[in-house]
Amino acid sequence: QQQVKQSPQSLIVQKGGISIINCAYENTAFDYFPWYQQFPGKGPALLIAIRPDVSEKKEGRFTISFNKSAKQFSLHIMDSQPGDSATYFCAASKGSARQLTFGSGTQLTVLP
Amino acid sequence: ETGVTQTPRHLVMGMTNKKSLKCEQHLGHNAMYWYKQSAKKPLELMFVYNFKEQTENNSVPSRFSPECPNSSHLFLHLHTLQPEDSALYLCASSQDKADTQYFGPGTRLTVL
Repeated sequence: QQQVKQSPQSLIVQKGGISIINCAYENTAFDYFPWYQQFPGKGPALLIAIRPDVSEKKEGRFTISFNKSAKQFSLHIMDSQPGDSATYFCAASKGSARQLTFGSGTQLTVLP
Repeated sequence: ETGVTQTPRHLVMGMTNKKSLKCEQHLGHNAMYWYKQSAKKPLELMFVYNFKEQTENNSVPSRFSPECPNSSHLFLHLHTLQPEDSALYLCASSQDKADTQYFGPGTRLTVL
C-alpha cells in the first residue's frame, strides 16, 4: 500500500514558467512533509519542508502548499530554470524523521 | 571528504557472489539508513541504525545483511542476490531526532 501518491510522473516546463508537483497522503498521523531534489548521479537533497501547522512555506522560488483537510501538499517552483531539471520526491513522516515514506518521484525538465 | 560518501559507486555481481557496500558519514550524525531506489518507484527504507543499534528492519530479505560498527560507518553485505535486487542503494544519515536526512550518491548495483 503506497501511503504517499505523487503526480505527475514527468513534467516539462518552459523556462520562466511555474512547475507544480502534487502529493497526497493517507496516514493522518504524518506530521512532517519534506521535498527532496535529486540530480543524476547524486543522492536526494532536502529542498524544503513543512509541518501541518502552516498552510504554506516559501523559500526563494520554491513554495510548499499544504491542505490538511484534503491530505494533499504540493511543490511550486516559480520562474523555473533549466538548472531546476531534476527528479523531485515528496515524503512524509510521523514522529521521528527516521521513518520517511517517499512518493514515486517526478522528473522535471525545464526547457531553455 | 565531506557529507556522506559511498563506495563503490558501481557494482556488478553474479547471483552467487558476496560483496559489501560501504557508507561513511563525516557529519557527526548518530543515525544512519539504507534505502533502495528502483526506477519509477518510491525510495524504500531498508534499515535504520541509531547509535550503532539497529532500530528498523523493513522486512528486508536475509540476503541483505547490514553492519554498523560505529556511528560513522555503515555496511550492507550482499549474498546470493537476485536480478530484481538490481537498483541504486542509497545511504543517509541524520542527527538523532532531527528532520533532515543527508544522502550519499548511492551505489548502482547490477545483479546478473
